[in-house]
Amino acid sequence: NAGVTQTPKFQVLKTGQSMTLQCAQDMNHEYMSWYRQDPGMGLRLIHYSVGAGITDQGEVPNGYNVSRSTTEDFPLRLLSAAPSQTSVYFCASSLDPGGGFRQYFGPGTRLTVT
Amino acid sequence: GIQVEQSPPDLILQEGANSTLRCNFSDSVNNLQWFHQNPWGQLINLFYIPSGTKQNGRLSATTVATERYSLLYISSSQTTDSGVYFCAVSNAGNNRKLIWGLGTSLAVNP
Repeated sequence: NAGVTQTPKFQVLKTGQSMTLQCAQDMNHEYMSWYRQDPGMGLRLIHYSVGAGITDQGEVPNGYNVSRSTTEDFPLRLLSAAPSQTSVYFCASSLDPGGGFRQYFGPGTRLTVT
Repeated sequence: GIQVEQSPPDLILQEGANSTLRCNFSDSVNNLQWFHQNPWGQLINLFYIPSGTKQNGRLSATTVATERYSLLYISSSQTTDSGVYFCAVSNAGNNRKLIWGLGTSLAVNP
C-alpha cells in the first residue's frame, strides 16, 4: 500500500492564481479530510468527506473547494490564491475517525502565495 | 466551540528521562486522539482515548473525561521521540470534526 499520497510537495503561486492539491489513498477509507497547519499552530480542518459524493465544511473552509467523485481521491482547489493561504496542507484518511479508527496522513504540501 | 489547551508548550529532556504532557478541553468529548509530528513533518496517530488508559510500549495515555483532561506519558525518552505532540478532540455534535491543540514541542537530547 502507498497509503496517503499528496502532490505536489512544494508549490509557489502568485496572488489570484488557482490550483488543485491532489490527495489519493489506496486503503478504501470512506473518510478523507484536508487540514492546514500554520507555524506554531495545530491543524485546522478545511473540508472533509465521509464518502464518495459527500463533503462538508470544516473549521476554515473559505477560499477552498472540494469534491469526492471516487473513494480514492479528494482534491482541494484554491480558486483565487491569497497570501493568507500560505501554509502546509495535509490530507488524511480513515475508516471513521469518530469511531476511533486511526487517521493516516499524507506527507504534506508546502504552499507559498506571493 | 471546544477549546483545547496543551501544556507545557515546550519541553527539553535528556535521553532516558520521563515526561508527562497534558491536554485540557473545555467541553465534554466523545473523541480524543494524540498525535506525534516528527521533525520532518510526518504526522502519526498515537492513541484514540476518549476515556480510560491505554499503553503502547514506552507511551501511555490517560483521559479523565469527567474532569476534562488527558495525559500522555513518555517513559525512558529517546531522541526519536522529539517532535510536536498534539491532542485533538471532538464532541457528540460532530465526532468527525477534530479540534486540535497548539501542541507540545519536545526535544530529547542525547
